[in-house]
Order: sequence, then C-alpha cells, then structure tokens
Amino acid sequence: EIVLTQSPATLSLSPGERATLSCRASQSVSNYLAWYQQKPGQAPRLLIYDASNRATGVPARFSGSGSGTDFTLTISSLEPEDFAVYYCQQRVNWPPITFGQGTRLEIK
Amino acid sequence: EVQLVESGGGLVKPGGSLRLSCAASGFTFSLYNMNWVRQAPGKGLEWVSSISGSTNSYMYYADSVKGRFTISRDNAKNSLFLQMNSLSAEDTAVYFCARPTTIDYAQFDYWGQGILVTVSS
Repeated sequence: EIVLTQSPATLSLSPGERATLSCRASQSVSNYLAWYQQKPGQAPRLLIYDASNRATGVPARFSGSGSGTDFTLTISSLEPEDFAVYYCQQRVNWPPITFGQGTRLEIK
Repeated sequence: EVQLVESGGGLVKPGGSLRLSCAASGFTFSLYNMNWVRQAPGKGLEWVSSISGSTNSYMYYADSVKGRFTISRDNAKNSLFLQMNSLSAEDTAVYFCARPTTIDYAQFDYWGQGILVTVSS
C-alpha cells in the first residue's frame, strides 16, 4: 500500500500570504495525485487532479506540481475562504486508493 | 446537475448491521464506477470500497472492511449501496459516496453530503 505523508500537519498563515503544502509518497505514483479541500461539515472538494490540473471552477490561485514521490499544492495569495483542511490522494495501481493524513491551514 | 444523496445511517450496536444507500442523479449512473469513502470523527479520509460501472466488472474493498462490507448497485434505480455487517466502534464515521471524474478513474469530483454511522452500545 502506498503511504502518503503530508507536511506540515498545521500551517498558520495570514490572508494574502502564499501557502505551500507538501505530499510525499512512499513509492512513485507517477502523476496520479489529486488534492482536495475540506471545510468543517462539508464533503471534500476536488481542487487538483493528475498532479497539476485544476478541477472545474477552481480559482487560478491554486496550483499543483510534482511527479513521482514529491508533490506540492501552492495557494498563491490566501483568501479567507481558503482556510480549511487539505488532503492529497493517489490512484496509481488502485486498489487501494490512499489519502494523506491532511494539512490544516489556519488563520494566523 | 450531478447530485449524490446518502441515506440509511444512524446508531447501531456493536456486531450489528446497517445498509447505506446513495441516490444519484444528473449523469449516466450506470457508466461510472462508484465509491464509498469514510471519515471517522476528527480524522482523515479513508477509502472504503469501489464498484465498477457497466463497462467493467469489479468490486474492491479496503482491508479494514473486507469480508464485512458488501458494495452493490442498482443501475435501473440509479442507486449505490453499502451493506455493513459485524460493525464495530472503529466503523463509526461519516460515509460519503463519490463519483470519479472519468469512468474507471479514482479521483472524485462529486461527493454526497455524507451520512453518519455511529456504532455504540
């Protein structure tokens, strides 16, 4: 099973700042990595698929990069609505499908 | 508009059973592989099970539920199900049904609102 490790566990930033979230896979997942945003009491929302493609309706301030084992989600300038929990997820050779443990992005 | 609506959750005693449903609309349900993902209180996301659409034939389960949970679907009624048996406290979670971006893919662009399952005596 491929393990995804996200860092940091919590990121404290202010609106307008740049956020960089990391996801590391225990073995190569090629570019088969997605990022989700989840707010309290809501279902996850797909942000990025195949490492770098924005899902429909996702603002351009969200971008994804990486391949193999190291991936990054970048939010170029934080808006108040961006403070949430972010998960990465891999789909190479599934099952199983695995998620990272999440990064909580909180307002500083 | 794609919609997924879960139902059937609730409180069940350890060792008990529960059947979750997910009513789908707004897309050609029969073609898509459908999935269950759960989230224990205060915890992260955990994939539970997947079932193929009409162009393929598979049912997959996480090791944590294999032998206890059964996924099924009724394409005529645009519905997905999860039969959960031998439930334990570790199965307490919000259960989401999810649709992938593309047939037979495993990245999810549509999710239901989730349904809470609580296993407690």
